Amino acid sequence: EIVLTQSPGTLSLSPGERATLSCRASRSFSSKYLAWYQQKLGQAPRLLIYDASSRATGIPDRFSGSGSGAHFTLAISRLEPEDSAVYFCQQYSSSPITFGQGTRLEIK
Amino acid sequence: QVHLKESGPGLVKPSETLSLNCIVSGDSINRGYYWAWIRQPPGKGLEWIGNLYHSGNTYYNPSLKSRVTISVDTSKNQLSLNLTSVTAADTAFYYCARQGISPYSTSWIQFWGQGSLVTVSS
Repeated sequence: EIVLTQSPGTLSLSPGERATLSCRASRSFSSKYLAWYQQKLGQAPRLLIYDASSRATGIPDRFSGSGSGAHFTLAISRLEPEDSAVYFCQQYSSSPITFGQGTRLEIK
Repeated sequence: QVHLKESGPGLVKPSETLSLNCIVSGDSINRGYYWAWIRQPPGKGLEWIGNLYHSGNTYYNPSLKSRVTISVDTSKNQLSLNLTSVTAADTAFYYCARQGISPYSTSWIQFWGQGSLVTVSS
């Protein structure tokens, strides 16, 4: 199975700053089959990005995804207090579907 | 908008079978998506358990395959999960979900239920 490693483990930034979250795969994908999710405390995950760079319905353009092969990035610009959450990446290039361990984003 | 709601016992004894149901509203399970179960131990990461297509084809995570059954009752628009021989390591929030449109069994997770906490303890 493909193992996804996210970094950093925790990111602490101020409102208005830009966050960059990394997701590295144990082997390269030939396709852009990667998604990103936001999970706030006590809630189910919410889809942000699919196919590496396509925003899900209702997701503001402050959220953007990029990357290919074995390295993918989620960028969040103009951080707001409501962006505090854990962010997970997920690959669906091959079965079984796997998730990264998550990056916790704290807004100071 | 698709809504999914899990239900089932919150406490299961070790070695017994964990059974959960998921009622789907706002969509028909027959409409040609993959419907999945995903779990998350409290404070930890996400694990895909498996999925089912409306035709009845199922795909399971090899790590759980020997203990898992996912099934569907189309008359109730309901998805079900059975996990046998549970241990404390199976304690988790269990989410049912609808995957994104794709010709493949793997895709992103478009809609999530609220989750159901199942604790395995005697």
